[in-house]
Amino acid sequence: RKEVEQDPGPFNVPEGATVAFNCTYSNSASQSFFWYRQDCRKEPKLLMSVYSSGNEDGRFTAQLNRASQYISLLIRDSKLSDSATYLCVVNRGNQFYFGTGTSLTVIP
Amino acid sequence: GAVVSQHPSRVICKSGTSVKIECRSLDFQATTMFWYRQFPKQSLMLMATSNEGSKATYEQGVEKDKFLINHASLTLSTLTVTSAHPEDSSFYICSARSWGRNTEAFFGQGTRLTVV
Repeated sequence: RKEVEQDPGPFNVPEGATVAFNCTYSNSASQSFFWYRQDCRKEPKLLMSVYSSGNEDGRFTAQLNRASQYISLLIRDSKLSDSATYLCVVNRGNQFYFGTGTSLTVIP
Repeated sequence: GAVVSQHPSRVICKSGTSVKIECRSLDFQATTMFWYRQFPKQSLMLMATSNEGSKATYEQGVEKDKFLINHASLTLSTLTVTSAHPEDSSFYICSARSWGRNTEAFFGQGTRLTVV
């Protein structure tokens, strides 16, 4: 079983829409969780860390459910500039495990 | 966030030559650096993990004699692709983290290698 599983999409949504991405991880000993954003032909950039209590950064809300080993990212009021691939990343010890990424295209 | 600088950003080389890629942490000491390869429309594939001052740990299927990794200081790691072939053409990305900071990893800008 893969360490991290994500729906690859693609998600094509109109501007202003709300979109949610989900991710599951297989190892309950995983310690830290992140969402990264990767634009085409660029390096991944940290979007936000994910905490058990849930956290919000502007239009972005991340949730972690340790019991279900499930991570989510919600984007409200989508902008054209949100178009990218969103990577779910799980850290355990000295290793980072990446999901395959979910592709989002926001349409005018 | 912390800054990781990767150089060069793009390189074209002839088949059979070697290419060195540098990864530097500019404002923190990187106790661990990771090297990834990414093919078009695919996720990052971890090649190796290196801790400063020790030998790199390579992932299964990655030839350590072909992809030489050196992590001689807390701010610099290098990846040398030896005797490059066209199938080595890819996007190579390094990332770095330090135990003294937040646990996230910071990525270099990536190096697009084309072997002709």
